[in-house]
Amino acid sequence: EAQVTQNPRYLITVTGKKLTVTCSQNMNHEYMSWYRQDPGLGLRQIYYSMNVEVTDKGDVPEGYKVSRKEKRNFPLILESPSPNQTSLYFCASSSQGGYGYTFGSGTRLTVV
Amino acid sequence: GESVGLHLPTLSVQEGDNSIINCAYSNSASDYFIWYKQESGKGPQFIIDIRSNMDKRQGQRVTVLLNKTVKHLSLQIAATQPGDSAVYFCAENGAAGNKLTFGGGTRVLVKP
Repeated sequence: EAQVTQNPRYLITVTGKKLTVTCSQNMNHEYMSWYRQDPGLGLRQIYYSMNVEVTDKGDVPEGYKVSRKEKRNFPLILESPSPNQTSLYFCASSSQGGYGYTFGSGTRLTVV
Repeated sequence: GESVGLHLPTLSVQEGDNSIINCAYSNSASDYFIWYKQESGKGPQFIIDIRSNMDKRQGQRVTVLLNKTVKHLSLQIAATQPGDSAVYFCAENGAAGNKLTFGGGTRVLVKP
């Protein structure tokens, strides 16, 4: 089944403790992206990647890092999480940036 | 389930009636538009898309209308069913065409 898989689904952590949210797609898509979703603010892009080793900032990149060492994986890294990063995170992939994305099921992150 | 928006515009519709969800987009250079459905606890799911060289496209029970003159997009759902209850987002691919920018969403509640 074609899908984007994120892990974990739920995560509660403490301020300053580094964490990684994994994302993997099995559709051989070149383009991958991370979004965060907050009440009243909708879906906002954090980072995106056009291909392996090619990443760029989205609209709200502060406090996040990404890497794209393999085509299928695009992990989101929070080096020092803060409470304002409490959010619902989605990974998405596409054969071409700016066109129909397939989304993962989401990761609910709470930073206390 | 996950809350995707506490203050979303809400459309209440009787089961069996038609629903119309509206969206104003911002960038006249966008050449691709897409509607997503998001159910509680899930990631956004593709419904239908349309390119700027079209003004109407039909799918199964759904129709998207594009009015480029006033930068307006609408999604029509025929014979709305309880399973259509969800939050609906429109998105556009913007001037650079390399990412999707999402609207704020509309919650649809189907009354039995």
